[in-house]
Amino acid sequence: GENVEQHPSTLSVQEGDSAVIKCTYSDSASNYFPWYKQELGKGPQLIIDIRSNVGEKKDQRIAVTLNKTAKHFSLHITETQPEDSAVYFCAASIERGSYIPTFGRGTSLIVHP
Amino acid sequence: NAGVTQTPKFRVLKTGQSMTLLCAQDMNHEYMYWYRQDPGMGLRLIHYSVGEGTTAKGEVPDGYNVSRLKKQNFLLGLESAAPSQTSVYFCASSSHTGNIEAFFGQGTRLTVV
Repeated sequence: GENVEQHPSTLSVQEGDSAVIKCTYSDSASNYFPWYKQELGKGPQLIIDIRSNVGEKKDQRIAVTLNKTAKHFSLHITETQPEDSAVYFCAASIERGSYIPTFGRGTSLIVHP
Repeated sequence: NAGVTQTPKFRVLKTGQSMTLLCAQDMNHEYMYWYRQDPGMGLRLIHYSVGEGTTAKGEVPDGYNVSRLKKQNFLLGLESAAPSQTSVYFCASSSHTGNIEAFFGQGTRLTVV
């Protein structure tokens, strides 16, 4: 089955800095890579996703990059703000197949004002 | 639009007791999932369903049973609760075509003493 590794487990930055979270996956058939943000006491919520036919996707201050050859993808958050503090999960799955997302272990991002 | 609703939100059980967690979605999604979240372990798939009347085991199914008698509901049962089942449980649902984003409920915090 799919195995998703996520690093770092904890990331502490100053407000205004950039934050990068990295994930690797094992199944070359995976072609859909979503990122979820989980705020305290809430369920995870999708913030951005990327499909294997695209190398990069951007939405305001967040961007995701994908390297299919190396089987890794990354989340980039620029100009971090205190409200970006949360746990972030990456996931990998196969679209148009048995879509069962496998999640990484999560990264706790702390943005200091 | 309620999305995914989990009941109850909190529960304390004694070892050996049984209980059922209810998940309901109003988005007509085919796929539904139960995850457990433990510190440092991320989201681990317990059971999932790809349609009404069908269920399958995930990564950590032991000690749990599920049923999907109606498309909109997915029940997670603990027949004889153990302290190792103390966790936060999340239900999620997704479509199997088009937008396959997973939508999560707010979680159920279960403590087994």
